[in-house]
Amino acid sequence: NAGVTQTPKFQVLKTGQSMTLQCAQDMNHEYMSWYRQDPGMGLRLIHYSVGAGITDQGEVPNGYNVSRSTTEDFPLRLLSAAPSQTSVYFCASSQQSGALTDTQYFGPGTRLTVL
Amino acid sequence: LAKTTQPISMDSYEGQEVNITCSHNNIATNDYITWYQQFPSQGPRFIIQGYKTKVTNEVASLFIPADRKSSTLSLPRVSLSDTAVYYCLVANQAGTALIFGKGTTLSVSS
Repeated sequence: NAGVTQTPKFQVLKTGQSMTLQCAQDMNHEYMSWYRQDPGMGLRLIHYSVGAGITDQGEVPNGYNVSRSTTEDFPLRLLSAAPSQTSVYFCASSQQSGALTDTQYFGPGTRLTVL
Repeated sequence: LAKTTQPISMDSYEGQEVNITCSHNNIATNDYITWYQQFPSQGPRFIIQGYKTKVTNEVASLFIPADRKSSTLSLPRVSLSDTAVYYCLVANQAGTALIFGKGTTLSVSS
């Protein structure tokens, strides 16, 4: 098992550009989520999905879109990048839908800089 | 979701036992207490989870008093490689999100 994989590892964008951060898991997990982490801060939830075809907003969803067409993939789209979106982005997954007592498995992160 | 409060930072030396206490005064009946560890440039990693009393695994112990308004993560005989940020979370099966606070930065020196 590769676990949770994220691509790219690093990305530099110019303000206004769009891009997609990829996240995939090979553990057949139902629940997937995206977090961002800023210096000195904990992780803040952006969007999450309890299964294929179902997504919902987290704490800081503005400026981001997600979709979940398959169980394995949960891409995060930045529609029009802004410097405030400079951050490290983590994708996570767990086995059961809504069962947050399950262990969350995190990817290695994508470090995004918006100029 | 119950809010958690934990120290911003702690310092220790190799070989010592480290105890990190987390306060969660508004914990609900169905909530579990979970601790994650995060190394620099990596995603968080699950350490331990408990509901009440004491839980122990190969990495740590978790002590939860009867009123469950706090919990203590105990790391026995820490090493330099235990330098990391430790997050205390409270969550239940009905919830839809894990809420991470700022965590406790543990620095272990030789």
